[in-house]
Amino acid sequence: NAGVTQTPKFRVLKTGQSMTLLCAQDMNHEYMYWYRQDPGMGLRLIHYSVGEGTTAKGEVPDGYNVSRLKKQNFLLGLESAAPSQTSVYFCASSLTGVGNQPQHFGDGTRLSIL
Amino acid sequence: AQSVTQPDIHITVSEGASLELRCNYSYGATPYLFWYVQSPGQGLQLLLKYFSGDTLVQGIKGFEAEFKRSQSSFNLRKPSVHWSDAAEYFCAVGEGTGNTPLVFGKGTRLSVIA
Repeated sequence: NAGVTQTPKFRVLKTGQSMTLLCAQDMNHEYMYWYRQDPGMGLRLIHYSVGEGTTAKGEVPDGYNVSRLKKQNFLLGLESAAPSQTSVYFCASSLTGVGNQPQHFGDGTRLSIL
Repeated sequence: AQSVTQPDIHITVSEGASLELRCNYSYGATPYLFWYVQSPGQGLQLLLKYFSGDTLVQGIKGFEAEFKRSQSSFNLRKPSVHWSDAAEYFCAVGEGTGNTPLVFGKGTRLSVIA
């Protein structure tokens, strides 16, 4: 089982460029999440999806957009990258959104904005 | 809304020594509680979870955690630490009702010395 797969694993962008991070899960999970991880800040939720075609804002949504056109995929977009978006991005999924459901994480995407 | 506090940012222990990582939560009802581990360069892996019943739960890699309602705590323990346990550890809390994403603590980094 692949679980949660993130593409790409590393990326360097210039300020103002755009890019899309792809997250794919093969567990038929309803919920998917995007986090960013920065030193001393822990995990911060950017956006999440409660099902195909439905998304919601998390703690730090500004500067990011998301789409969930297919149940297995959750895309995170940066329209105009800024150095403050340099971070490690993690995707996660859970079977449902009920609080007893653990989240399953991908291995992360390291993104540097120059 | 629920919240999680991990009071220790960084802990160093000697190999073979015992370990306790602290986690305090804030939630009005009975919470769902989780511990995750993140090895360098990897995503988060579920160590253990508490839903109800026995307040001492066993997890993978020899870890255990104890839920103490009176102290609003869910501390992680291991009797004898191995060098491979060096990692970052995250506590998380889920709500019993609704579909709210898990709330994560900021993490505790564990270093293991010989």
